[in-house]
Amino acid sequence: DAKTTQPPSMDCAEGRAANLPCNHSTISGNEYVYWYRQIHSQGPQYIIHGLKNNETNEMASLIITEDRKSSTLILPHATLRDTAVYYCIVSYGPMNSGGYQKVTFGTGTKLQVIP
Amino acid sequence: ETGVTQSPTHLIKTRGQQVTLRCSSQSGHNTVSWYQQALGQGPQFIFQYYREEENGRGNFPPRFSGLQFPNYSSELNVNALELDDSALYLCASSPGTGGSTDTQYFGPGTRLTVL
Repeated sequence: DAKTTQPPSMDCAEGRAANLPCNHSTISGNEYVYWYRQIHSQGPQYIIHGLKNNETNEMASLIITEDRKSSTLILPHATLRDTAVYYCIVSYGPMNSGGYQKVTFGTGTKLQVIP
Repeated sequence: ETGVTQSPTHLIKTRGQQVTLRCSSQSGHNTVSWYQQALGQGPQFIFQYYREEENGRGNFPPRFSGLQFPNYSSELNVNALELDDSALYLCASSPGTGGSTDTQYFGPGTRLTVL
């Protein structure tokens, strides 16, 4: 499984964009990049995922570099409720029904949104 | 809203005892994974079940075992509890359509304390 590297903590002013980087230099061709966040010991919450194209949904945008060795999660207008630990994960699973999908979490980035 | 529920919310056991934790998957999801999250760490993969069979396991000893039922609810059993088993236990369900595009949806977790 590819490993990820994230900064342990970041601060962001409320209303500003939060840009959370992730390195995954050993990612393989069929591995996806996932982002989850965990608020105060609740269960992790899915945010977004992508393979090689940039992705956007109602929560965030995901920018993946052309060589796929790094990515950035963007929260366009951070609010206090976005304060959480953000996990960048690469996930592998064979492309057959019931394929084994092992998800390996690192220690994540603790994002503190400041009023 | 994930739809994954876990019980109990909190549990206190003593060393050497056995514990059973329960998870109810999101409707329509036939794959469930269990994770252990120690304080300050990211979730660690324990095992995954697909259609009632274990199809993947992390680095956990055999005293960690599981079951998945036909209605896709599941159990995590831990025998001979040790102090280091104190953690937040998370289950996550996914549609099980196969491949690394499956998104896992997490429950709120069970906080286990071993004294």
